Amino acid sequence: KAGVTQTPRYLIKTRGQQVTLSCSPISGHRSVSWYQQTPGQGLQFLFEYFSETQRNKGNFPGRFSGRQFSNSRSEMNVSTLELGDSALYLCASSLRRANTEAFFGQGTRLTVV
Amino acid sequence: AQSVTQPDIHITVSEGASLELRCNYSYGATPYLFWYVQSPGQGLQLLLKYFSGDTLVQGIKGFEAEFKRSQSSFNLRKPSVHWSDAAEYFCAFAPSGAGSYQLTFGKGTKLSVIP
Repeated sequence: KAGVTQTPRYLIKTRGQQVTLSCSPISGHRSVSWYQQTPGQGLQFLFEYFSETQRNKGNFPGRFSGRQFSNSRSEMNVSTLELGDSALYLCASSLRRANTEAFFGQGTRLTVV
Repeated sequence: AQSVTQPDIHITVSEGASLELRCNYSYGATPYLFWYVQSPGQGLQLLLKYFSGDTLVQGIKGFEAEFKRSQSSFNLRKPSVHWSDAAEYFCAFAPSGAGSYQLTFGKGTKLSVIP
């Protein structure tokens, strides 16, 4: 059974640009969550999608957005990139929204220069 | 406020020694609890989870954790550490109520293993 797949694995962008990251969940999983990991702030919740709807959002500016498609694949977008957006972005998939565990992908390493 | 505390930022143990990583949480009810491990540059791998029932849970790679409600703790243990266990370990919880799936993570404990 394939795990969570995130693409691309590495990205280098210039300040002010925008970026789109992709996540394909485990087959059959309907919930996809995104997390940002930085050395200073640790792992922080960005948002959660279930059945193509954003169900929960963390404390991040509106430059961070996402969506989920009918096949449960998800994308997140960051516009007007700032140096502080450099981080490892992790996607997690879950079978449902409660009483279950989350499985993480390898992450996308975003570097903003 | 809901939070997870991992008091130890870095722990060094000798190979073959026992290990205990501490985790305390702050939440109004009994949460769902997890331990994840992360190797450098990699994603998070689930070691074990606690939802309800037996407070001693077994996980992969020989790890176990014990939930203690009175102490709001969920400490991770391993009787004999292997060099390949060197990594960063994260404790996390999710609210136990339905309709909300958001993990709150501790800051992590980095484990170094001396051969």
